[in-house]
Amino acid sequence: EAGVAQSPRYKIIEKRQSVAFWCNPISGHATLYWYQQILGQGPKLLIQFQNNGVVDDSQLPKDRFSAERLKGVDSTLKIQPAKLEDSAVYLCASSFSGGADTDTQYFGPGTRLTVL
Amino acid sequence: GEDVEQSLFLSVREGDSSVINCTYTDSSSTYLYWYKQEPGAGLQLLTYIFSNMDMKQDQRLTVLLNKKDKHLSLRIADTQTGDSAIYFCAERTGLTGGGNKLTFGTGTQLKVEL
Repeated sequence: EAGVAQSPRYKIIEKRQSVAFWCNPISGHATLYWYQQILGQGPKLLIQFQNNGVVDDSQLPKDRFSAERLKGVDSTLKIQPAKLEDSAVYLCASSFSGGADTDTQYFGPGTRLTVL
Repeated sequence: GEDVEQSLFLSVREGDSSVINCTYTDSSSTYLYWYKQEPGAGLQLLTYIFSNMDMKQDQRLTVLLNKKDKHLSLRIADTQTGDSAIYFCAERTGLTGGGNKLTFGTGTQLKVEL
């Protein structure tokens, strides 16, 4: 079974530029998550989708970050404009459902963003 | 709110046992997870435990849960150099809008020396 795919793996941009990340979850997984992992810290949830609807985006800085999952499969996360403090690894995860079962989250390899 | 704490570093000799500790604050946690992260890689699920259990064993891994003290530990038997990585503890709690969320600790860097 293929895992969670993410691209690009690395991205370097200058501050105030825009950037987009792409995620393809495990086939059949209804729930998709985007996390931000700053160096030396644990991942922090930015946004969670159930199919193509947003379940939680309370930690997403909506003035500059946006995310969509239009057809309930792939997702993109965008930052516009980027700030220095956005330098981090952006991890995508998916789970079978957001329900009461084990709901285990499986992670992709991440996109490492460096903002200069 | 949720808060998860871990010690930052652990160094052990190859062949010894490693014990990584974690404390959490939210008593409504349903599942607790251990993930492993190697350099430049995503998070790999190692094991998890349901909150009504106090122990789970999976090959070289043993998870102990003390729900009263909100303390979770991961024991790795016969630690190998390939176990060198950062280990994250995470607690799962519900979201007001439905679904679940994971809150991660800061990670414990395990170094295995020959």
